[in-house]
Amino acid sequence: NAGVTQTPKFRVLKTGQSMTLLCAQDMNHEYMYWYRQDPGMGLRLIHYSVGEGTTAKGEVPDGYNVSRLKKQNFLLGLESAAPSQTSVYFCASSYMDYLQAYNEQFFGPGTRLTVL
Amino acid sequence: KNQVEQSPQSLIILEGKNCTLQCNYTVSPFSNLRWYKQDTGRGPVSLTIMTFSENTKSNGRYTATLDADTKQSSLHITASQLSDSASYICVVSGDNAGNNRKLIWGLGTSLAVNP
Repeated sequence: NAGVTQTPKFRVLKTGQSMTLLCAQDMNHEYMYWYRQDPGMGLRLIHYSVGEGTTAKGEVPDGYNVSRLKKQNFLLGLESAAPSQTSVYFCASSYMDYLQAYNEQFFGPGTRLTVL
Repeated sequence: KNQVEQSPQSLIILEGKNCTLQCNYTVSPFSNLRWYKQDTGRGPVSLTIMTFSENTKSNGRYTATLDADTKQSSLHITASQLSDSASYICVVSGDNAGNNRKLIWGLGTSLAVNP
């Protein structure tokens, strides 16, 4: 099993450009998440999904959109990239509600995005 | 305000030595506490998850302790190896009810194990 995979691994954008980050998991997990990790800050939840066809806002959703058309995929979109979105983005998945004890989150390797 | 604070910020030890990392939190109400290991350039990997009723949990050479009364947790690494060099992050889950329904991530302790 590959676990959680993310594409691309690296990307450089110019301000105003758009892009989509793809996350895929092969563990048949219901829940999927997008986080960003910035220096001096803990991981912050952007959006999450509790099942195919559902999405919900996390702590820092502004400037991002998501879609979960298939259970195994969770897409994160930036419609008009800004320098403040320069970050490392992590996708994660869990079998059930990640807040419940023993529902471990499994993370992908991350995408390093730079917006100039 | 819900916070998770970790100490030390960074630590250097020699291979084979033991070390203890600290986590203090102010999250209330509290559901569970997790420790993650994050290698450079990789995503976090779960080491342990403890509920408020558990005092200790082990995963190989990693042992986590929890004192819910004082809101403190520690991660003890025994007989360190070079592969233990990583960031160790403490994460606290608020209670499922109301506005506390989220994970609060610490900033991590950066551990370097030298030969």
